Amino acid sequence: DAGITQSPRHKVTETGTPVTLRCHQTENHRYMYWYRQDPGHGLRLIHYSYGVKDTDKGEVSDGYSVSRSKTEDFLLTLESATSSQTSVYFCAISESTEETQYFGPGTRLLVL
Amino acid sequence: GENVEQHPSTLSVQEGDSAVIKCTYSDSASNYFPWYKQELGKRPQLIIDIRSNVGEKKDQRIAVTLNKTAKHFSLHITETQPEDSAVYFCAATSNAGGTSYGKLTFGQGTILTVHP
Repeated sequence: DAGITQSPRHKVTETGTPVTLRCHQTENHRYMYWYRQDPGHGLRLIHYSYGVKDTDKGEVSDGYSVSRSKTEDFLLTLESATSSQTSVYFCAISESTEETQYFGPGTRLLVL
Repeated sequence: GENVEQHPSTLSVQEGDSAVIKCTYSDSASNYFPWYKQELGKRPQLIIDIRSNVGEKKDQRIAVTLNKTAKHFSLHITETQPEDSAVYFCAATSNAGGTSYGKLTFGQGTILTVHP
């Protein structure tokens, strides 16, 4: 597996609380992505980054923000968590848009 | 944006049979099509991919075909084994402009079960 870690791996939180998920890579890849995975929906892109401080929205970005201050770290923040954000969150990295995306181990988030 | 449809949603085969999963895409600018396998509780992992300048690619028991005119691509697994049981996802992206530029759009997934 590519050098990608996610933290935390599991989290339970309450509605209305802020949550930050971290993706860390040791591959020095330019592109980083956040996806959520829900039954029947496959993997849906939340936000992605094409360089330090360069980010763009994906198809399900409402309620999420991201930041990338260093090449190796990409943070996903739920400003005020809702039950609809209960999901498995995957980070992915790639060298370029023409190359394979490699996925991290995932974070299971439960919002009560 | 790009839309990827994947069929069937579930597929059950006997060990040794072949399995075929089909996907269609909407963005004619899409030119990279990976397939991922995801075992229960694990991360998606690439098993094969194809670019739009190629019509077919094979890797041992796995093959992918691409029809750019019809905008569909398929995964073929021959001589299936119980360890092939997993969820399979197709995806599409463009590195040449278009609405899907730089962003992978995934199909909904196919649950493949191989019975011994």
